[in-house]
Amino acid sequence: DAGVTQSPTHLIKTRGQQVTLRCSPKSGHDTVSWYQQALGQGPQFIFQYYEEEERQRGNFPDRFSGHQFPNYSSELNVNALLLGDSALYLCASSLEGTVGSSGNTIYFGEGSWLTVV
Amino acid sequence: AQSVTQPDIHITVSEGASLELRCNYSYGATPYLFWYVQSPGQGLQLLLKYFSGDTLVQGIKGFEAEFKRSQSSFNLRKPSVHWSDAAEYFCAVGDSWGKFQFGAGTQVVVTP
Repeated sequence: DAGVTQSPTHLIKTRGQQVTLRCSPKSGHDTVSWYQQALGQGPQFIFQYYEEEERQRGNFPDRFSGHQFPNYSSELNVNALLLGDSALYLCASSLEGTVGSSGNTIYFGEGSWLTVV
Repeated sequence: AQSVTQPDIHITVSEGASLELRCNYSYGATPYLFWYVQSPGQGLQLLLKYFSGDTLVQGIKGFEAEFKRSQSSFNLRKPSVHWSDAAEYFCAVGDSWGKFQFGAGTQVVVTP
């Protein structure tokens, strides 16, 4: 059973460009969250998708947008890249309504390393 | 608003010695608390979690954590560290929808 898979693992972009990162949740999971982890910091919540809708959003500008597909996979899009967007982008998946139950675990992917030059 | 504080940015411990990592949280309701470990260049691995019930929680790799509501703390402990425990450790508080607030992390260095 594959866990959370993310692609690409590493990429380099130039300031002003746009980037799309992809995430496939763990089998059976229907909720996907995205986090940004800058070097030396803890992950910061970007947004969460459930039923193809953005349900919660952190303190990130509109340049950060996302999408969830019917198969629950998700994309994170960042427009007009800035040097400060360089970070590890983590995807987490969970099953709606089960956080807080002993049997549920939220799984994180290995992340996508984005470098903006 | 949720917040998590990990007071120790960096801890050095000798192999075989005990380890305790501190975590303090601020949350309006009953918190869901987590400890994650991250090795260099890797994603996050769940060590343990607390939702309710017994305040002493056992996790993987010999780690345990104790929830103390009166102190708003959820400290992580391990009786005897191994060189492979060198990593960065993150405490997090989550809501019922699975949104996490992470601390800044504690870097653990294990010396021979």
